[in-house]
Amino acid sequence: DVLLVESGGGLVKPGGSLRLSCAVSGYAFRTAWMSWVRQAPGKGLEWLGRIISNTDGGTTDYAAPVKGRFTISRDDSKNTLYLEMNSLKTDDSAVYYCTADQNWANFFWGQGTLVTVSS
Amino acid sequence: QSVLTQPPSASGTPGQRVTISCSGGSSNIGTYTVNWYQHLPGTAPKLLIYGDTQRPSGVPDRFSGSKSGTSASLAISGLQSEDEADYYCAVWDDRPNGWVFGGGTKLTVL
Repeated sequence: DVLLVESGGGLVKPGGSLRLSCAVSGYAFRTAWMSWVRQAPGKGLEWLGRIISNTDGGTTDYAAPVKGRFTISRDDSKNTLYLEMNSLKTDDSAVYYCTADQNWANFFWGQGTLVTVSS
Repeated sequence: QSVLTQPPSASGTPGQRVTISCSGGSSNIGTYTVNWYQHLPGTAPKLLIYGDTQRPSGVPDRFSGSKSGTSASLAISGLQSEDEADYYCAVWDDRPNGWVFGGGTKLTVL
């Protein structure tokens, strides 16, 4: 079975940084295109960005609200996806999900990790 | 404000057929295929429909998707109490070159 497990969430002060991880098993991570999606309290789903496989170039795309503050990376040797978040704002408080993308869809999802940005 | 427009709520009684609409534009639905997700609070969103009409393995055929022009729809037939959830449409968009989600529709089974 495909399993995506996010970790690294927690409480951080405004202006602070946090790194989320997403460990992937049961899936061909090396060739996978991966995304991060979040859901703020009482809001809908919001795509944050993606990274394509290194075999396809390893490039990244980001949504406007996080471009320049968030960085997506991957370690294929560890089957792990990362989301480095800097200059965090209270609006960044949300549950953060990683997804494995195929067939032009966010096909598989993790259970999410909660990030709270508060002083 | 979402690029894709969904009704905020929908409802039906057990056994009924319900449809949820998703309206977009030429840079998203007009060009790319649409996906639908079911999200129950506290759980991981689940892919219901991809490629406009395809169901992943394990998704009941009560769920179906369609698309015409720059709009798409999700239909749920034989409504069941466990279908009560939030539903989102999503599609790739050339502007801003990323995935865009609809605002979500909260489905209530009366």
